[in-house]
Amino acid sequence: AQSVSQHNHHVILSEAASLELGCNYSYGGTVNLFWYVQYPGQHLQLLLKYFSGDPLVKGIKGFEAEFIKSKFSFNLRKPSVQWSDTAEYFCAVNALEGNEKLTFGTGTRLTIIP
Amino acid sequence: DAGITQSPRHKVTETGTPVTLRCHQTENHRYMYWYRQDPGHGLRLIHYSYGVKDTDKGEVSDGYSVSRSKTEDFLLTLESATSSQTSVYFCAISESEGSRADTQYFGPGTRLTVL
Repeated sequence: AQSVSQHNHHVILSEAASLELGCNYSYGGTVNLFWYVQYPGQHLQLLLKYFSGDPLVKGIKGFEAEFIKSKFSFNLRKPSVQWSDTAEYFCAVNALEGNEKLTFGTGTRLTIIP
Repeated sequence: DAGITQSPRHKVTETGTPVTLRCHQTENHRYMYWYRQDPGHGLRLIHYSYGVKDTDKGEVSDGYSVSRSKTEDFLLTLESATSSQTSVYFCAISESEGSRADTQYFGPGTRLTVL
């Protein structure tokens, strides 16, 4: 069965710092990859997704993620964070073979200090 | 945002009582899902539906049942609520699954407290 690991549970950064959140998955076949963001008290919103093609994916609000197949990774990056990026970030993977469902990581809480 | 509503948004109930949560979509998407969100666990799939009257179990289905009598509505029932079912419940929808096109969109959530 597929699994997703987000090793950073809580990240604290100052405004304008660069961000990288790790995401690793276990499935060896073809996958769809997602990053969702959940602002305090709100529902999950899609930040970006990778289906195929260019492994560097750009999403909303200046976020991007790079799919590195050899490392089973899909790390999220932003060159300069803002206070408004304070939220919880979830990586998710969906294998395209078998009957696997979308599997989420446990999330990374990001706190931006003004 | 996708047209997904959940009701109620907040509910407090007592152990042993039945509870039904409703998810309503206006997107006419075929697939609907129920997740629960708990600290340290992320989101875990409870049940999902791939069409009217077509449902299946997810990772954490014990103690929950679902029904889908119309494309737009997906109901989650806790037959006899327990304190371990205190959680935030999210509904999600997607147009397809197992393809290069599927993306799930989430509703606003229901916060359920079982005393």
